[in-house]
Amino acid sequence: RKEVEQDPGPFNVPEGATVAFNCTYSNSASQSFFWYRQDCRKEPKLLMSVYSSGNEDGRFTAQLNRASQYISLLIRDSKLSDSATYLCVGPPPDNRTPDQRNSGAGSYQLTFGKGTKLSVIP
Amino acid sequence: NAGVTQTPKFQVLKTGQSMTLQCAQDMNHNSMYWYRQDPGMGLRLIYYSASEGTTDKGEVPNGYNVSRLNKREFSLRLESAAPSQTSVYFCASSLGHYSGNTIYFGEGSWLTVV
Repeated sequence: RKEVEQDPGPFNVPEGATVAFNCTYSNSASQSFFWYRQDCRKEPKLLMSVYSSGNEDGRFTAQLNRASQYISLLIRDSKLSDSATYLCVGPPPDNRTPDQRNSGAGSYQLTFGKGTKLSVIP
Repeated sequence: NAGVTQTPKFQVLKTGQSMTLQCAQDMNHNSMYWYRQDPGMGLRLIYYSASEGTTDKGEVPNGYNVSRLNKREFSLRLESAAPSQTSVYFCASSLGHYSGNTIYFGEGSWLTVV
């Protein structure tokens, strides 16, 4: 069972539109989240990290909502070049024992969502 | 900058054949990973190596073996290929094996098993 769930998409939006993707996660202790972008037949590449306060990079804004356990990616003024699949990334559930957590043992693996495909249409 | 380099880029295998996917990174990263990506399934972790000298199973390890040859290189072996292993394989690396570390991917290897 995937612990990181994304909007299934696809999203087809006109140039200039604002579009938002959401991603829910199950590990309430998760600290680190990311958005990756993957172009067709290419490798995923980091788009932006998402921290507690959220962050903005040009037309892209990533937000974290801990109360509802989701992260979002907002793209303003969509460009044709934004067409890609966007992958939400976060840690899986923490299955360590309390002793392991206290000792700092074990470490998380990142879990990738299945991706949301965005097509920006002229 | 080379980053993560994996070979071959394309390969067609017959059922039962074996092959090794090679991966090398030049970023002095400690952790390396092998993922497979299938339509509708997203990226799934096959094996990872948190540091040189260690390897661990990921989500879908059956049918695969790995070798962390040194800090730079991490290979994935299919001992007896099956059609279900037709997929795109990505090698990746990160500075450390912690959730806060960015993962960098190779360009992918397209494998078809017939």
